[in-house]
Amino acid sequence: DVKVTQSSRYLVKRTGEKVFLECVQDMDHENMFWYRQDPGLGLRLIYFSYDVKMKEKGDIPEGYSVSREKKERFSLILESASTNQTSMYLCASAGTAAHNEQFFGPGTRLTVL
Amino acid sequence: AQRVTQPEKLLSVFKGAPVELKCNYSYSGSPELFWYVQYSRQRLQLLLRHISRESIKGFTADLNKGETSFHLKKPFAQEEDSAMYYCALRALGTDKLIFGTGTRLQVFP
Repeated sequence: DVKVTQSSRYLVKRTGEKVFLECVQDMDHENMFWYRQDPGLGLRLIYFSYDVKMKEKGDIPEGYSVSREKKERFSLILESASTNQTSMYLCASAGTAAHNEQFFGPGTRLTVL
Repeated sequence: AQRVTQPEKLLSVFKGAPVELKCNYSYSGSPELFWYVQYSRQRLQLLLRHISRESIKGFTADLNKGETSFHLKKPFAQEEDSAMYYCALRALGTDKLIFGTGTRLQVFP
């Protein structure tokens, strides 16, 4: 059973702080993704990684960076948090087989004050 | 541009009524289409994919390339179907998913 875990369920930070969100998967998946989920906007891809140290921008990468030093771990970094980054952040992982599904973590609800 | 449109933010039905959650897409090639579901306090999970042509929890979805649609249907809704439903598209040759904005289904007793 695939398990994707995220370091925090809830996080409250102040404007300007550096924020780290971590995601770990235990299925040896090559692909990992970070999304933000907002009401009325659905899921929007921030960044994804298809291999260790490899990353690609998604649809809304501004204000974010990522790090993938190990295959199982994918970190999302907010260099200087802003109030408009208050959101639910979802991590997902997937293998590279055809028709593969994405497996999601439980989400981190980040509030930036 | 690749896009997934779910025109309804909220769909409310009574138990036993038929349900159709609409999904339209724009993509010039042959897409892979998926429905994901998120029940209250649970993580987002795959419900079904068009390639499998399967029925999951009584739900089916048929890819209509002529109308570029992938509507999700169930003949008799149950209260436990209440959830957020997302339609998603994967373009050929990529691993990325493009999600719609989601439809919240409420099934009343």
